[in-house]
Amino acid sequence: DAGITQSPRHKVTETGTPVTLRCHQTENHRYMYWYRQDPGHGLRLIHYSYGVKDTDKGEVSDGYSVSRSKTEDFLLTLESATSSQTSVYFCAIGVAGSSSYEQYFGPGTRLTVT
Amino acid sequence: GQSLEQPSEVTAVEGAIVQINCTYQTSGFYGLSWYQQHDGGAPTFLSYNGLDGLEETGRFSSFLSRSDSYGYLLLQELQMKDSASYFCAVRDLGYGQNFVFGPGTRLSVLP
Repeated sequence: DAGITQSPRHKVTETGTPVTLRCHQTENHRYMYWYRQDPGHGLRLIHYSYGVKDTDKGEVSDGYSVSRSKTEDFLLTLESATSSQTSVYFCAIGVAGSSSYEQYFGPGTRLTVT
Repeated sequence: GQSLEQPSEVTAVEGAIVQINCTYQTSGFYGLSWYQQHDGGAPTFLSYNGLDGLEETGRFSSFLSRSDSYGYLLLQELQMKDSASYFCAVRDLGYGQNFVFGPGTRLSVLP
């Protein structure tokens, strides 16, 4: 258990409204990621962070922003939600070893934009 | 750009051995990972290959050939609980050292 929680776990929102998803970790890991997963697709990287206030864009960052003001929290914001952002969102932490790199995922947030 | 290919579905019976292949094209390969995901659940880490060869963890093994841009996950002594989706993911130096995930292989284990 990597101590990763996500909130909310489920959310239904209307098109055009802002939405913020929260990822919280308890083990002080530097690397954190936000992915989205859609049917028939693998996980696609939205944004990532290598530390406090150190964030960058991933493959599908349009329409999303992130913030990381504390090591333990990584927030994903949809500024103006669209139906195409209906998805399952996973947060992950990265753990680098001497010969490995492992990612541990939170339980996910199921977001529906109507 | 980056792309990964995996079979979409694989079916096998309990006790059998199954191999899930992954081929990739990336701009800067750094490592290959495998993840398991049960329906409704989160992906869980299975293995990481940074160098060529076989890595074994219990009933699961993972293989990498960097010269062939190819890897596979081998599951032995299949159990019903192994029914899940399996994703390969390449860590790409040309992608901020982040992971690009394959589309996933759905494994069904039959009694």
